[in-house]
Amino acid sequence: DTAVSQTPKYLVTQMGNDKSIKCEQNLGHDTMYWYKQDSKKFLKIMFSYNNKELIINETVPNRFSPKSPDKAHLNLHINSLELGDSAVYFCASSQDLAGFYGYTFGSGTRLTVV
Amino acid sequence: ELKVEQNPLFLSMQEGKNYTIYCNYSTTSDRLYWYRQDPGKSLESLFVLLSNGAVKQEGRLMASLDTKARLSTLHITAAVHDLSATYFCAVQETSGSRLTFGEGTQLTVNP
Repeated sequence: DTAVSQTPKYLVTQMGNDKSIKCEQNLGHDTMYWYKQDSKKFLKIMFSYNNKELIINETVPNRFSPKSPDKAHLNLHINSLELGDSAVYFCASSQDLAGFYGYTFGSGTRLTVV
Repeated sequence: ELKVEQNPLFLSMQEGKNYTIYCNYSTTSDRLYWYRQDPGKSLESLFVLLSNGAVKQEGRLMASLDTKARLSTLHITAAVHDLSATYFCAVQETSGSRLTFGEGTQLTVNP
């Protein structure tokens, strides 16, 4: 019974295309996140939502748009994909913004833009 | 801006040996997390350290936090091959703020 699930696991697409990654958590957590891990394994936050409300919006191109239809789901839509968008995208959740109990990460979506 | 630095970034050690990974951070925080990542896999939570002097142990791994020195350590005792992975520390500056990750320490334990 997966706690934080992302789809798809792998995504290969051409430059200029638009794609979405979906994330769902069944932990009852209030807060969800998107992180990007680059080729050097460096992890950086992109967005966070708390109860469907956008809390953190890092310096991310406008081509990236998150959407949280409810607190169990956080999707990421990317327009006009570029080569530099190739990375692994991780969804995560925490019980609340405080993070006392830590963060649970999904299995990641490996995006390759060709 | 909060900066988190880990060292070493690469660590090759023999089974049975002990070693420590260090995590330094640049601003006040009392929330530090350690994660493990196997190649091609997700991040697995190892420890959550929430106060000065916190020490937690699980198997051959022990983590500690010194908020005054802005330093956390992950100590490996009698390493075994199964511990080979990349270890990340992450710091949350204040409640509700972003989690800032270190660069990761790639650990290889050789037989």
